[in-house]
Amino acid sequence: GQQVMQIPQYQHVQEGEDFTTYCNSSTTLSNIQWYKQRPGGHPVFLIQLVKSGEVKKQKRLTFQFGEAKKNSSLHITATQTTDVGTYFCAGNFGNEKLTFGTGTRLTIIP
Amino acid sequence: EADIYQTPRYLVIGTGKKITLECSQTMGHDKMYWYQQDPGMELHLIHYSYGVNSTEKGDLSSESTVSRIRTEHFPLTLESARPSHTSQYLCASSKIGSGNTIYFGEGSWLTVV
Repeated sequence: GQQVMQIPQYQHVQEGEDFTTYCNSSTTLSNIQWYKQRPGGHPVFLIQLVKSGEVKKQKRLTFQFGEAKKNSSLHITATQTTDVGTYFCAGNFGNEKLTFGTGTRLTIIP
Repeated sequence: EADIYQTPRYLVIGTGKKITLECSQTMGHDKMYWYQQDPGMELHLIHYSYGVNSTEKGDLSSESTVSRIRTEHFPLTLESARPSHTSQYLCASSKIGSGNTIYFGEGSWLTVV
């Protein structure tokens, strides 16, 4: 079936350290999206990547889409306490239905 | 922020009771979804709809049912609640042709005692 694997499941970092989460699909994606869910909150859309090799930045967040459109990463530079939450990737296989990854829960040690 | 609303936000109910979780969106989105999520865990798609009178079961089997009589309204019903139904239920919507960007409601936290 169409699955999106996401690693790591948990990540604890010292404030100021960098953080990266990775998503992988066994089949080509038409696009990939990233969402952030704060503790106790609901997922909020961050960004969508469509093109092969695409890189997008939002302040300290860098999103990449692999050349083969099968993998993606989210990198946060110099984490802050406001970055706490669970980050989900979501792959679109071209069938009008998003498949969410398992999520990476980020905790920050002050 | 998206205009998608869920009620109730929090509900504690006894076993065997019937409940309906309401979801409405004012964005005119054709596609609507229900996800089930335990705290800090994965999002599981349990129902979706691509338009009025269209409903489909999602990837996770659920004893709940849904209806889509109006574009903006997508309620979820449990005929007989059980403790295993305790979870957060997230309603969401998206616009056809938008690359499936999904907008979530704030969620309904259901506890069955």
